[in-house]
Amino acid sequence: KAGVTQTPRYLIKTRGQQVTLSCSPISGHRSVSWYQQTPGQGLQFLFEYFSETQRNKGNFPGRFSGRQFSNSRSEMNVSTLELGDSALYLCASSLWLGRDGETQYFGPGTRLLVL
Amino acid sequence: QKEVEQNSGPLSVPEGAIASLNCTYSDRVSQSFFWYRQYSGKSPELIMSIYSNGDKEDGRFTAQLNKASQYVSLLIRDSQPSDSATYLCAGGGSRLTFGEGTQLTVNP
Repeated sequence: KAGVTQTPRYLIKTRGQQVTLSCSPISGHRSVSWYQQTPGQGLQFLFEYFSETQRNKGNFPGRFSGRQFSNSRSEMNVSTLELGDSALYLCASSLWLGRDGETQYFGPGTRLLVL
Repeated sequence: QKEVEQNSGPLSVPEGAIASLNCTYSDRVSQSFFWYRQYSGKSPELIMSIYSNGDKEDGRFTAQLNKASQYVSLLIRDSQPSDSATYLCAGGGSRLTFGEGTQLTVNP
């Protein structure tokens, strides 16, 4: 079974631009979560989607948004990029059968550099 | 108090030794825990999950959960140089809270 895929893998943008990142979960997985990883802040939760609905949101500004499609694929968007948005953006998928503690599997990530 | 805290490391052990990685968590963290391994420049890879008090073994890896002490640990037996990586402890359900990670180096 194919793993979580993310595109693009690398991206360079300039301040003020916007960016859209894409994530395809493992086949059959219905929940997609997004995380930001930086050397200073570590891995931080951005948001989680299930059945095209955002169920959880982390403490990030409104410039960070996302959505999920009917096939469970997800996109996240960052508008008005800032230098501090440079990070590894990770997508994780899980089956989500309604139990707590569903295992999340991570994709390879998109490394974003904002200049 | 941070929601999930790890012994900061770095940790260095000789090949063949037991590496012990520790993590504590606050009441705000859900009672499901995961250990991920992350090689430099790569994404986190699941090593172990543990939900109940006690030990869970998988090959060279043993996870321990003590809910009374709010403590989670990972033991790596017969450590190999290929185990050299950052180990991340995480708690929660669909919203994982991660510790800062512990960098482990296994010296040949």
